[in-house]
Parts: sequence; structure tokens; C-alpha cells
Amino acid sequence: DIQLTQSPSFLSASVGDRVTLTCRASQGISSQGIASFLAWYQQKSGKAPKLLIYGASTLQSGVPSRFSGSGSGREFILTISSLQPEDFATYYCLHVNSYPHPLTFGQGTRLEIK
Amino acid sequence: QVQLVQSGPDVKKPGASVKVFCKTSGYKFIDYSVTWVRQAPGQGLEWMGWISPFNGQTNYAQKFQGRVTMTTDTSARTAYMEVRTLTSDDTAMYYCARLSMFQGPDFWGQGTRLTVSS
Repeated sequence: DIQLTQSPSFLSASVGDRVTLTCRASQGISSQGIASFLAWYQQKSGKAPKLLIYGASTLQSGVPSRFSGSGSGREFILTISSLQPEDFATYYCLHVNSYPHPLTFGQGTRLEIK
Repeated sequence: QVQLVQSGPDVKKPGASVKVFCKTSGYKFIDYSVTWVRQAPGQGLEWMGWISPFNGQTNYAQKFQGRVTMTTDTSARTAYMEVRTLTSDDTAMYYCARLSMFQGPDFWGQGTRLTVSS
């Protein structure tokens, strides 16, 4: 199975900063058309994860445009263009593998206020 | 709107079993699989498996095969997950989520906190 490694594991940043989080796969990730089966989630303390990005770069409905995703193959990036106070949370990448569709999560990046 | 509502917190003794439910609304139940994910205290997300309400097909993470059973009741629009032979390592928050095979889990339940303690 594909393994996902996120970096950094912990990031301290300030409101207004631009941050990039990385998710690296142990093998190339399959795609449908030009979009990869890679998603990003945000999880705040005590809450369920929230889908931010799917297909590596498609913004889920209702997610602010300061979030963006990019990448293909083995390296994927989540960018937050200008950090807001509500963005401090833990972020996970997820791969939906080919049939029978096991799911693999990265270990998470915890984003904290500097 | 799409909603998944899970059963409440539970406390079990080691060796016992637990069955968690996930009641859905706001979409056609048989059109999406339901997946289960758990999170131990202070840890990351761990995928457990999924079930298709359309045909009952399941896919369990290897770690949970033989100890976890996922089922659905289409008339009640509800998914269930049973975990047997509990140990303290099963203490965690358990989430159900609607699963789109391309998007991944897109709508999540609120979580069910399970504590396993003697």
C-alpha cells in the first residue's frame, strides 16, 4: 500500500503568513483524468475532520479560496495564502487507493500560532 | 442537507464488544459507501474500512479484519460498526463518514467516544 508522509509535522506561523504543507507518497498516486486521488482535511481540536481539497487541487464547496492544492505523482502541496486565526488546526492528506479502495492518511501537520 | 449522526459515548471493559451506529439523512443512502475512521487520544486518523449500502460489499483495513464488522440497514439509512474483543488500545473517537471514491470522505459524523477500561 502507498504510504503518505507529511512535512513538517509541526509548524508555527503568524496570522497573515503564507504557508505550504507537503504530502509525499511512497509511490506515484493514481489519477482520474488529470486529477489525483489525493485529498486534504482540516481538523480542529475535538471536531471531525473537514474536507478542504479533493482531486489534489479542487476546492470543496464552501472552503475559502485562500486554501489551494497542487501536485501530482508523489508530491502534493496544500497552500494557505494568508493565515487566518481560524486556520490553526491539524491538516491531513488522504489517498484513496485503486480498487478495493483502501484509504491511507498522512500522519498530519499541526499548525500553531507563533 | 447531508447529516450523519452517531451514537453516544460508551464505556466498555476489556474483552467486550461495542456496536456504534451512524444514522444518515439528506442524500440517497445507497449511492455512497460509508467509511469508518478512528482517532486515539492525541493521535492521527486511522482508516478502519468501508461498506457499500448498495450491495453490502465491505473492505476492511488489514489491522481490523476478523475483529470488526460493518453493516447497514437501508430502510433505516443507518450504518453500523461492531468491534469485538476490545482492549485499551481501542480507546478512541470513532467517526463515520460518507465516502465518495474520488473525493474521499466528504461528510462526517460528530464522532463516538469509546473508552475501554477495567
